Amino acid sequence: QVQLKESGPGLVQPSQTLSLTCTVAGFSLTSYNVQWVRQPPGKGLEWVGIIWNTGGTRYNSALKSRLSISKDTSKSQVFLKVNSLQTEDTATYYCARDSGYWGQGVMVTVSS
Amino acid sequence: DIQMTQTPSSMPASLGERVTISCRASQGISNFLNWYQQKPDGTIKPLIYYTSNLHSGVPSKFSGSGSGTDYSLTISSLEPEDFAMYYCQQYDSYPNTFGAGTKLELK
Repeated sequence: QVQLKESGPGLVQPSQTLSLTCTVAGFSLTSYNVQWVRQPPGKGLEWVGIIWNTGGTRYNSALKSRLSISKDTSKSQVFLKVNSLQTEDTATYYCARDSGYWGQGVMVTVSS
Repeated sequence: DIQMTQTPSSMPASLGERVTISCRASQGISNFLNWYQQKPDGTIKPLIYYTSNLHSGVPSKFSGSGSGTDYSLTISSLEPEDFAMYYCQQYDSYPNTFGAGTKLELK
């Protein structure tokens, strides 16, 4: 059964680095791409970036300088790091696989 | 970046009604278009990929069409569980941009 689950800190201070983990089950990260999408409270969906099955990455150009996506295929985990956090980074962060599988999302608040 | 203009932003509708949501891309996207449903609890359900292909388990009351820059999602007969937010997403080029969403509300 394909599953994705995001995890990470619920509260992070401005200027710090956010680290999120997407733990997957039911498929191999060497076979499928995984993307990150975020949604600020009360707003729409924003594409953050993607890591391909090959390990290559592409990022939202507006966030690119602050983003890093990586993975550990042996642990079935994908990682998202966002540095220099701003309050505007407050959002629910989702990871999703090709072919229609999404995690439940994790809420992250950036506040002092 | 490709801009996705989704209309309407909100749509009051009645049970049993047929509704259509539109999405226009700022340039051609070669049918590389997804549709998603989002419930108030935040759960996102993929509905359609590559313009008109239903994901497994999605009822046939949902359908998608379009080409070039113009795409649409149609729900043939609204049921209570269909009242939700709907988003389109292009995946022709990066970043894979979303429309702003359509809130389908009970009239």
